[in-house]
Amino acid sequence: DQQVKQNSPSLSVQEGRISILNCDYTNSMFDYFLWYKKYPAEGPTFLISISSIKDKNEDGRFTVFLNKSAKHLSLHIVPSQPGDSAVYFCAARNSNSGYALNFGKGTSLLVTP
Amino acid sequence: DGGITQSPKYLFRKEGQNVTLSCEQNLNHDAMYWYRQDPGQGLRLIYYSQIVNDFQKGDIAEGYSVSREKKESFPLTVTSAQKNPTAFYLCASSKGQGVAYGYTFGSGTRLTVV
Repeated sequence: DQQVKQNSPSLSVQEGRISILNCDYTNSMFDYFLWYKKYPAEGPTFLISISSIKDKNEDGRFTVFLNKSAKHLSLHIVPSQPGDSAVYFCAARNSNSGYALNFGKGTSLLVTP
Repeated sequence: DGGITQSPKYLFRKEGQNVTLSCEQNLNHDAMYWYRQDPGQGLRLIYYSQIVNDFQKGDIAEGYSVSREKKESFPLTVTSAQKNPTAFYLCASSKGQGVAYGYTFGSGTRLTVV
């Protein structure tokens, strides 16, 4: 049963515009949420995280918003750059499973010039 | 530089054979994890270990085995009982209970059954 869901498999955005990637979750025991960027045949690289007690975290062009009541988070990339093109995974840390991460299926972002 | 090393990068296995994927980290992280990625799928947890000589099954542990004899090493054996082993395997580690700025992943091993 998928506990972390990314319902948009792909997203295309023009360079300079905002990219918004969405993620929903079902497990109330998740205490941290993380976003990873991944290229084919490579390991994911960490982008940004947010604690379940916060509603916003910002790091440069990346901002993550958490709506705990809706069990929804989103990653905003502003402005989007062609180098941002990759697959983005939403992940949630489960304090009941040795702090292992549960991943969504990913959203493939394409930023066009 | 500290990091996680997975080897080999590509691995071919004949049906019916066991194969072991290596994962070594020099980050002094306590916890280590194995994930599997299939096309169009997220990363699914196979096994995890929070301390040496202890490990727990993840969501898809059937057909896999692990050991954690040293803090730095967490090898994964794909046994002949794994019905569909062709996939991309990722090892990760984290400090203790994990930190807010994430987990460190290796670069992965692509396993193909021929």
